[in-house]
Amino acid sequence: LAKTTQPISMDSYEGQEVNITCSHNNIATNDYITWYQQFPSQGPRFIIQGYKTKVTNEVASLFIPADRKSSTLSLPRVSLSDTAVYYCLVGDNNNDMRFGAGTRLTVKP
Amino acid sequence: GAVVSQHPSWVICKSGTSVKIECRSLDFQATTMFWYRQFPKQSLMLMATSNEGSKATYEQGVEKDKFLINHASLTLSTLTVTSAHPEDSSFYICSAHWGGTDTQYFGPGTRLTVL
Repeated sequence: LAKTTQPISMDSYEGQEVNITCSHNNIATNDYITWYQQFPSQGPRFIIQGYKTKVTNEVASLFIPADRKSSTLSLPRVSLSDTAVYYCLVGDNNNDMRFGAGTRLTVKP
Repeated sequence: GAVVSQHPSWVICKSGTSVKIECRSLDFQATTMFWYRQFPKQSLMLMATSNEGSKATYEQGVEKDKFLINHASLTLSTLTVTSAHPEDSSFYICSAHWGGTDTQYFGPGTRLTVL
């Protein structure tokens, strides 16, 4: 069974904020939450990683509630080039790094 | 920093031949590397976890004698697809764990087509 659950697809428009939520009910104490972006025929690209509360970098924010059973990736003001598949991974980066189905985000003009 | 490369980026081979794919961490030492396979419109499927200097750990259903993994140094892991068949055609992606930030970084992938 996949450790994470995400919406299969989402649509948005340029300039909007997009929030993608990932459920990980069985997250372990040592697990981090990492989000990746993948374009067709490319390897996944690291977006952001967090353990708890909120993390922000130059491209996204990651919100993690206190129980850590879910997380939300927030992309501010998306553009057409943000159309991609977004994956949420839960693990300690030494093992058990299995991908779920991911969320296919389509940004429309 | 944290760049991972793969070579070749694409390869076409005849059925029955063997193909070697290299994965290198260019600016960091990776004690652990992962190999994934991805079919069109599907997610990445973990094939094996490779630790430097030891035998790889394969996921259930992945044939270790068909997909040979060697992790001889802290910057290089190789995946050899032996006696390739058309059903082995796929996008193969490696990743390397950088302990400095406890993050995995992925290579650009290798497109294998077996005729």
